[in-house]
Amino acid sequence: NAGVMQNPRHLVRRRGQEARLRCSPVKGHSHVYWYRQLPEEGLKFMVYLQKENIIDESGMPKERFSAEFPKEGPSILRIQQVVRGDSAAYFCASSLRLAGNYGYTFGSGTRLTVV
Amino acid sequence: AQSVTQPDIHITVSEGASLELRCNYSYGATPYLFWYVQSPGQGLQLLLKYFSGDTLVQGIKGFEAEFKRSQSSFNLRKPSVHWSDAAEYFCAVGARDDKIIFGKGTRLHILP
Repeated sequence: NAGVMQNPRHLVRRRGQEARLRCSPVKGHSHVYWYRQLPEEGLKFMVYLQKENIIDESGMPKERFSAEFPKEGPSILRIQQVVRGDSAAYFCASSLRLAGNYGYTFGSGTRLTVV
Repeated sequence: AQSVTQPDIHITVSEGASLELRCNYSYGATPYLFWYVQSPGQGLQLLLKYFSGDTLVQGIKGFEAEFKRSQSSFNLRKPSVHWSDAAEYFCAVGARDDKIIFGKGTRLHILP
C-alpha cells in the first residue's frame, strides 16, 4: 500500500538546465497537488491537477514552470531554464476526493538545488 | 482569501512539559482545519483534522486541537511532550476550491 512516491529525492541542476520532478499518487487518488517549500515560508500552493486536467494553477509562476498529470503515468512538474531562486523542496500530495474536506497524503518531496 | 497565521516561529519546551502551538485562520465560511507535522528531510504527516461537530479533536501521537470559532483559532496541544516530538508543525485551512492553505510553521525544540 504505497503512499505518494516522489522522485528523485534530491536533484542538482546547473543554471539554465531543466528540472523534471515526478509524483506518483496513492493508488486510486485522482487529485494531485504541488507545493513549494522555502525555509521559514511554509508551503506555497503551486498547482492542482486531476487526470489530464489542470484545475487550478494560480500558484504557478507564469514562465518556465509547467505541470501535467497524464492519463497514464506520474504527474510531472517541469521547470525550464532553472535559476538559483528555484532551489527549494517541492512536495506533491494526493487525495481521493475534495482535499479541503479530507486532507492530503504527502510525498517525501524533491529537494532541488540549482548551482 | 483564506489565510493561516502561526505566530510562533520557534518554540522550546522541556521533555515532559505540556505544549500548545497557536494557529489563527481567516476564512469566510466554516473552515476545514488541519495540523500536519514534518520531521527533517521528510514529507508532511497529518496529525488531526476538524470538519464539524465536537470542537475538541483527537489526533495521532497524543495530540489534540480545539476549534474556537469566536477566536478563529485552532490551537494544537499535547499534555506531555517527548523528544521525538521535535519537528515542524503546520496548521492549515481547507478552501472551498480544494486547495489547502498552510501557515508558515512552528519549529518545536525539546530540551532534555
